Amino acid sequence: NAGVTQTPKFQVLKTGQSMTLQCAQDMNHEYMSWYRQDPGMGLRLIHYSVGAGITDQGEVPNGYNVSRSTTEDFPLRLLSAAPSQTSVYFCASSYSSPGSYYNEQFFGPGTRLTVL
Amino acid sequence: RKEVEQDPGPFNVPEGATVAFNCTYSNSASQSFFWYRQDCRKEPKLLMSVYSSGNEDGRFTAQLNRASQYISLLIRDSKLSDSATYLCVVNRPGAGSYQLTFGKGTKLSVIP
Repeated sequence: NAGVTQTPKFQVLKTGQSMTLQCAQDMNHEYMSWYRQDPGMGLRLIHYSVGAGITDQGEVPNGYNVSRSTTEDFPLRLLSAAPSQTSVYFCASSYSSPGSYYNEQFFGPGTRLTVL
Repeated sequence: RKEVEQDPGPFNVPEGATVAFNCTYSNSASQSFFWYRQDCRKEPKLLMSVYSSGNEDGRFTAQLNRASQYISLLIRDSKLSDSATYLCVVNRPGAGSYQLTFGKGTKLSVIP
């Protein structure tokens, strides 16, 4: 199993450009999420999905869109990049065990995004 | 009070030392608690879950005090390979273990 994969690893954008960060998992996990990590801050939840066709906002959703058409893929779209979106972006996935509060989240290797 | 607070460190300890990290969380309704480990420029990985009764995994011991809303991680006999940032993680109440709140992390450097 490849686990959680993310592309690209690095990206530089100009202000106003749009792009899509790709995330895929081959573990048949129902739950997927996107986080951003900034220096001096903890990881912050952007959007999440509890299954194909179902998405919801996290703590910092503004400026980002997501969709979940398949179990495997959960792309994150930056609509109009801003310097404040310079960050490291992590995708994560986990099982959805009913009644369990201890499902491990598996993270991808991250995408380092710089917006100029 | 911030949702999850940790001492940022850095903690610089010699090999073989015992080191303890503490974490406090603000929402008393949180139900799941974890320690994740993050190596420099890498993704977080689960180190251990923290159960009400406390739990141990080799050199690592985690404790939970719900009354004080406090979580701890003890590392005995530190190894060079333990050098990393340790993230205290708590779930958002009502969201199972899906929506997690991360502390900023405590950086540990184990020195030869």
